[in-house]
Amino acid sequence: GAVVSQHPSRVICKSGTSVKIECRSLDFQATTMFWYRQFPKQSLMLMATSNEGSKATYEQGVEKDKFLINHASLTLSTLTVTSAHPEDSSFYICSAISDPNTEAFFGQGTRLTVV
Amino acid sequence: DQQVKQNSPSLSVQEGRISILNCDYTNSMFDYFLWYKKYPAEGPTFLISISSIKDKNEDGRFTVFLNKSAKHLSLHIVPSQPGDSAVYFCAASSAQGGSEKLVFGKGTKLTVNP
Repeated sequence: GAVVSQHPSRVICKSGTSVKIECRSLDFQATTMFWYRQFPKQSLMLMATSNEGSKATYEQGVEKDKFLINHASLTLSTLTVTSAHPEDSSFYICSAISDPNTEAFFGQGTRLTVV
Repeated sequence: DQQVKQNSPSLSVQEGRISILNCDYTNSMFDYFLWYKKYPAEGPTFLISISSIKDKNEDGRFTVFLNKSAKHLSLHIVPSQPGDSAVYFCAASSAQGGSEKLVFGKGTKLTVNP
């Protein structure tokens, strides 16, 4: 199946710093990419939807100034957690689709720990 | 309000037997349903899907059944294998504006005992 690569897989950062997570579709062009967050023992929560070349659409309750999403090309989207706090510690996952009628492929996820 | 519900947080079955994972949804606009399998600290892996125009889709050991009138779908795994042990997420979507947003259930942890 299609491959979506997410990097880094783990990151530890200090409070107040910013962290960038990359999501790349390796063998297809992703018109749309999604960013999810998973809390322990909870489902995946959609944070935002990004279409290549346009601004991301954020879900209710997600701070767009804190979670900056850039989808500059058809194969790359980035999520930057700005001014990270310990409560931002979580597992972040991206997914990508090539067109609306295909299933989404997920990245491996990024475990963010803010200390 | 949870639009996709997986009421069983865990399920344990014996190797070789059938595993049945259930999922209910409330939004009648959903027209595409998917099952994902997830191991700890990894992203979900797509397993099988079904469109609302069908009531059954089969792929090897995996079969998904959809009952639209009951807003219920189920994933059958037969025969179950120890390697199937994982968390299974049911997801639903309705294509709007060309982007499909997946709504996930909370997942069911399946344990297949040797």
